[in-house]
Amino acid sequence: NAGVTQTPKFQVLKTGQSMTLQCAQDMNHEYMSWYRQDPGMGLRLIHYSVGAGITDQGEVPNGYNVSRSTTEDFPLRLLSAAPSQTSVYFCASKEVAPGYGYTFGSGTRLTVV
Amino acid sequence: GEDVEQSLFLSVREGDSSVINCTYTDSSSTYLYWYKQEPGAGLQLLTYIFSNMDMKQDQRLTVLLNKKDKHLSLRIADTQTGDSAIYFCAEMLFNAGNMLTFGGGTRLMVKP
Repeated sequence: NAGVTQTPKFQVLKTGQSMTLQCAQDMNHEYMSWYRQDPGMGLRLIHYSVGAGITDQGEVPNGYNVSRSTTEDFPLRLLSAAPSQTSVYFCASKEVAPGYGYTFGSGTRLTVV
Repeated sequence: GEDVEQSLFLSVREGDSSVINCTYTDSSSTYLYWYKQEPGAGLQLLTYIFSNMDMKQDQRLTVLLNKKDKHLSLRIADTQTGDSAIYFCAEMLFNAGNMLTFGGGTRLMVKP
């Protein structure tokens, strides 16, 4: 099925560990982005990309890195996990043409202990 | 700056209409979106409206946009228990890489 695939669905990390959240889309979308969702705060943009080789910071980029080597993949790296990074992470993608909305993945629920 | 605000909670009876409201501050918004999130799931795009439109209707959904007051609403006709979810409004800004800024979400509870 076409869409945005995120792995893993659940993850528990210890403080200080690093990991990569994977995101892949098969719709040939140029725009991709990562959000985190915390209770009562909606979704906040972490990093985004408007095409392969191009990334930029969003509202809450500290502690996270991204790269975009292909159109399909947009991994999010946590460099040294902290309890404040406990959240649900969503990846989303969109085609360039105006008017279309973002398609979201099903999310990764991350707990840092 | 970009601030999008929504009320936290709405409760309606099955069969009634629901109206979920949203206000935004950035007048350079281009598209405004409504997403639905069911428990444990991702966000599902419901509908969107371009900033030069006043109204858009799509089956049971009606979106109204008041640009002067920067107010957006989503009306769900004949609300069903399956409509119980969190609803997010979001604005897209051309000067922010076409990224979305979300409101905090409105939890809709539909009572039988």
